[in-house]
Amino acid sequence: LAKTTQPISMDSYEGQEVNITCSHNNIATNDYITWYQQFPSQGPRFIIQGYKTKVTNEVASLFIPADRKSSTLSLPRVSLSDTAVYYCLVGVLLYSGGGADGLTFGKGTHLIIQP
Amino acid sequence: NAGVTQTPKFQVLKTGQSMTLQCAQDMNHNSMYWYRQDPGMGLRLIYYSASEGTTDKGEVPNGYNVSRLNKREFSLRLESAAPSQTSVYFCASSEAESTVFRPQHFGDGTRLSIL
Repeated sequence: LAKTTQPISMDSYEGQEVNITCSHNNIATNDYITWYQQFPSQGPRFIIQGYKTKVTNEVASLFIPADRKSSTLSLPRVSLSDTAVYYCLVGVLLYSGGGADGLTFGKGTHLIIQP
Repeated sequence: NAGVTQTPKFQVLKTGQSMTLQCAQDMNHNSMYWYRQDPGMGLRLIYYSASEGTTDKGEVPNGYNVSRLNKREFSLRLESAAPSQTSVYFCASSEAESTVFRPQHFGDGTRLSIL
């Protein structure tokens, strides 16, 4: 089971680009990297997922170096509403009887955006 | 489109009482999950169901039972509630595909207090 390490908290300002890095030194060949966002009193919400190189969608980019031992979530031009906890997960989808790798949420990174 | 619906949203129990938390999804997902989240912590997997008719233990299954009633519904039961089970409980669902990690969709949680 690939363990992840993220900063506990980060601060930034509105309009800035924010990069949150996750370390996963023992990532396995089949593992995917998935990021979730969680606001207070809500369930986590999927942001982005990737396997290698770069993935971009309408809300974020995910950068994964060739060795895949880390990944960086990039949030462009953040606003106050991006204040949330961000979780990095690494693993493969479970299949019946195959285990639950990739379903371990650490404490995440508490991102605080200031005006 | 409701996504994942959890009931009730709030509940207070006395030690030793039993209760069932309900979860239903309308996305035709094969896999469903139950997590608990304690203050300042990430989510911990209690039980999961990879597909209809199967259930497996997660990281913290003790004190809980689950039932995958049909493809849409996955319930979590506390047979004899204990104060240590005071937490926020999240249900999630995802598509099942053995080679690709499909993101999970979460409900908004059930806040359970046990006195």
